[in-house]
Amino acid sequence: DVKVTQSSRYLVKRTGEKVFLECVQDMDHENMFWYRQDPGLGLRLIYFSYDVKMKEKGDIPEGYSVSREKKERFSLILESASTNQTSMYLCASSLPLLGKNTIYFGEGSWLTVV
Amino acid sequence: AQKVTQAQTEISVVEKEDVTLDCVYETRDTTYYLFWYKQPPSGELVFLIRRNSFDEQNEISGRYSWNFQKSTSSFNFTITASQVVDSAVYFCALSESDSWGKLQFGAGTQVVVTP
Repeated sequence: DVKVTQSSRYLVKRTGEKVFLECVQDMDHENMFWYRQDPGLGLRLIYFSYDVKMKEKGDIPEGYSVSREKKERFSLILESASTNQTSMYLCASSLPLLGKNTIYFGEGSWLTVV
Repeated sequence: AQKVTQAQTEISVVEKEDVTLDCVYETRDTTYYLFWYKQPPSGELVFLIRRNSFDEQNEISGRYSWNFQKSTSSFNFTITASQVVDSAVYFCALSESDSWGKLQFGAGTQVVVTP
């Protein structure tokens, strides 16, 4: 089974702190994604990566950065956390969407910024 | 631009009733992919189905069935004989062919099944 693992399920951070959310996948997937989920808004794409050291902005990249130094790991960084970044963060990975490939998600990380 | 609309915010049913979740999408691409995911209270998104735009065959998987209508840009999901374990948020999502698998999600529909 494909496994996408997010390092922290629940985090509480203070305003202004630097926050790292880590995601690891074990299926040699090229594509990795970070989404943010808020009530009534569904999931919105923050950043994605289609190869090591490659990254592209999604729909809401402001206030975030990412790092992909190894194929299996994709990190989301909040340089200076703010209360409006309190949310659920979901990591995903996939092969190219050919054939019957699909997109797999981790369990999510609940971040509270106080 | 992509857009996915799930007009139903919440649906409440009694166990064994059928429930249909609506999903309407917009895209200018001729090749695209549609997905349904289930999100139980634990938070993980569980993949349910993927449908390619060039394959309009409807699909049934156990108590789940999907109706893809390209003419109306809809991809509806029906749970037959609902069970309490079906209580979750269900998301419809769209990915265009050249989008590297980026998903555009609907807002989700909360399904509540009571005994």
